[in-house]
Amino acid sequence: GDSVTQMEGPVTLSEEAFLTINCTYTATGYPSLFWYVQYPGEGLQLLLKATKADDKGSNKGFEATYRKETTSFHLEKGSVQVSDSAVYFCALSGNNAGNMLTFGGGTRLMVKP
Amino acid sequence: EAQVTQNPRYLITVTGKKLTVTCSQNMNHEYMSWYRQDPGLGLRQIYYSMNVEVTDKGDVPEGYKVSRKEKRNFPLILESPSPNQTSLYFCASSFQVGETYEQYFGPGTRLTVT
Repeated sequence: GDSVTQMEGPVTLSEEAFLTINCTYTATGYPSLFWYVQYPGEGLQLLLKATKADDKGSNKGFEATYRKETTSFHLEKGSVQVSDSAVYFCALSGNNAGNMLTFGGGTRLMVKP
Repeated sequence: EAQVTQNPRYLITVTGKKLTVTCSQNMNHEYMSWYRQDPGLGLRQIYYSMNVEVTDKGDVPEGYKVSRKEKRNFPLILESPSPNQTSLYFCASSFQVGETYEQYFGPGTRLTVT
């Protein structure tokens, strides 16, 4: 079945540092790929998405490129802020009737001033 | 404001005492689903509904029931809760954008079963 693997956290960075959170996936066919962010005490919010190979999703300074050859969708940001501290989830949506998202385990990011 | 609401937000109960977690969305979405979040496992889908009176099992449906009598509501029912159902639960509704579906998540319900 489909699966998503992302780097375990926590990831601790200083403000303005470069961020990379790795995500790789296993799926049949051509899934859509997503990054969700969960701030403390809140539900998940869609951060960005990509629906086909070589697509780049971007939002709020975050970027991720759909790499079919390496089955990866790594999240990057050039300069993190304290307000980016949250848990980040990589997810895929395959060809299933329930629009089910398959999630990675989540990576907690802590940004220190 | 477009939103998914869940109630209660926090619940502590005892083994075997039936409970219902409500979910409501105001976006007229056809698709709704329930997920549970456990440390290191991400979110796993419990049940989903493609429209009124149409529901089906997700990845981890054992011990749960759902109903979809109205488009806006999708309650999650635990007939006889057990400690292994202690978790953080999220309701989501989704709509189609191009080739994909985007999901809106509720704020979560933290359930503890003792």
